[in-house]
Amino acid sequence: DTAVSQTPKYLVTQMGNDKSIKCEQNLGHDTMYWYKQDSKKFLKIMFSYNNKELIINETVPNRFSPKSPDKAHLNLHINSLELGDSAVYFCASSQAVQETQYFGPGTRLLVL
Amino acid sequence: AQSVTQPDIHITVSEGASLELRCNYSYGATPYLFWYVQSPGQGLQLLLKYFSGDTLVQGIKGFEAEFKRSQSSFNLRKPSVHWSDAAEYFCAVAPLSGNTPLVFGKGTRLSVIA
Repeated sequence: DTAVSQTPKYLVTQMGNDKSIKCEQNLGHDTMYWYKQDSKKFLKIMFSYNNKELIINETVPNRFSPKSPDKAHLNLHINSLELGDSAVYFCASSQAVQETQYFGPGTRLLVL
Repeated sequence: AQSVTQPDIHITVSEGASLELRCNYSYGATPYLFWYVQSPGQGLQLLLKYFSGDTLVQGIKGFEAEFKRSQSSFNLRKPSVHWSDAAEYFCAVAPLSGNTPLVFGKGTRLSVIA
């Protein structure tokens, strides 16, 4: 029944490792997003896909690579993890870019 | 560029007291307006939204917000706060068209004391 789900919920890893976070939505939405929330709770959009096509790509290191195998999934792969990547990463979806976004529960990433 | 300002970083209210969280936006035209709530350790949940029509919008959990075009504001209110309302509140705006997504404010943390 979960509308937007993310896995894993927690991720603890060493610097330099490569990791992936998965997101799935069962709302039939066309648009999906990845956000990064820092320790001060500031939400920053990273990427947005519409119908599997990248439409928003903010200033994000190219170590971050989103992949959308289909409309219902948007995964985030991170190469060569750094300490500063520690944050909560939220996936979201909406029917259209301007419309209400529905958020996943977040993935808490800690890089040691 | 559009921006959203939430002037209050942290607000503390007593349980049962009324609440108003401020949100101002800077945009050329009236955008879509949203309020989200984030409880500790959770994702964001939509409280209410304004697209058009009646400027007083009712949301979930007893919240309401009023859009004031002249002040470019969309303040969130609740007449009587419950301890479970303690959370982070985010105002967000989106333009009426194009591929520009929601722009979020920096959030207001609400603490509720007995």
